[in-house]
This record gives sequence, C-alpha cells and structure tokens, in this order.
Amino acid sequence: EDKVVQSPLSLVVHEGDTVTLNCSYEVTNFRSLLWYKQEKKAPTFLFMLTSSGIEKKSGRLSSILDKKELFSILNITATQTGDSAIYLCAVGSFNNDMRFGAGTRLTVKP
Amino acid sequence: EAQVTQNPRYLITVTGKKLTVTCSQNMNHEYMSWYRQDPGLGLRQIYYSMNVEVTDKGDVPEGYKVSRKEKRNFPLILESPSPNQTSLYFCASSLWDRVDTQYFGPGTRLTVL
Repeated sequence: EDKVVQSPLSLVVHEGDTVTLNCSYEVTNFRSLLWYKQEKKAPTFLFMLTSSGIEKKSGRLSSILDKKELFSILNITATQTGDSAIYLCAVGSFNNDMRFGAGTRLTVKP
Repeated sequence: EAQVTQNPRYLITVTGKKLTVTCSQNMNHEYMSWYRQDPGLGLRQIYYSMNVEVTDKGDVPEGYKVSRKEKRNFPLILESPSPNQTSLYFCASSLWDRVDTQYFGPGTRLTVL
C-alpha cells in the first residue's frame, strides 16, 4: 500500500537553530515529491523535487530527494519564529493522485 | 486573480442533514480534488476529477459524493453527515498534467454534531 511517512511528528527548537525534517515514501509510479508549509490556512507550496541529488534552495530553506532510498529532507537554517508551522510532504504519482504525510509540526521559540 | 474559492468557510451542522460545500476555480484547470485534514493524519484525498463528468475515488470516499458538471465547479456533497466527518476540508485544482502543482482553496471547517 502506498504511504508517505514524515518524522518527527513534532519538533520544538529555539530561534537560530537548524532543523531537518524527514519524509520517506513508498508510492507506485512516483512522479514528484512536494513540500508545503501550512500555517493557519491552506498549504503553501515550497518545493517540488523530481530528480535525485539536486538540492533546491529558497532562502534559508533547502530540500533534496533520494529516489534510490525513497526519502527527502527539508532543512531550515537559522530558524525564526515565523517558521513555526506544519510542514507537509506529498508525493504525486503518474496515476494522478496525491498522497500526503501526516506533517511535522515545527515550533520555533524566541 | 487566480484562485480557488470554497463556501462556506465554516459550517456547524447536525447529523443527517444533507450539505454541500462548493468549490470553484477561475484558472480553467482540468484537475480538481477534495481533501480532508485531521490532526495527525495529514491531508487525505476524498475524490478527484480529471475533467468534466470524470470523477475518481481517493483514499477516503465513503460518505461523500462529488459531481463535475462544469469545468470550474467541483462541489462536495455529504448526503447524511456524521460526527466522524468533522474535519477541515480543502479543495484544490491544477492543469491535468501538472497535478503535482495544485492550487489550494482556503479550507472549510465543518463540525457535525
């Protein structure tokens, strides 16, 4: 059965810390892996990854995909309180469905 | 402005009272989808539609119906809501071949008493 597993489910850090969020998957007909940030509203898109080993960066956030080991990580450096959110990992397949992980709730304390 | 709209945004209802949550997009997207989000479970796909008159079940379709009579609209129908359908619902849309870059609506928080 297809699944997407995120870890940890919850994480509390202090401003300035670096965090790594994990996403592993088992999905038939893998097409892409996506990361979203969700505050108190709809998820907002962060990254889409389709190829192994190519890091995507946006400011203090970066992500990479390993299609051999079936996982991705999302790194956030120099965390700020505004980074507090639920981070969702999703995997899209060529079957046109999307499967989300349970999310990682990140809390950044001042 | 390109957007996905949902109505209502908040709804409290009682068990068994039929309801419809509307979803509309103005981007001429072929693909539309409904998700529910529950604590600790992430987003789970209820139904999706690749185009007008084409709908498919997602992971959790039980207790829900959808229709796609027009390209822009994809209503979610709960014929007889039950308390276990209390959840946060999101509609999303995309081009048919860009399902991995979906635009999400603002969400509808439904409580069934």
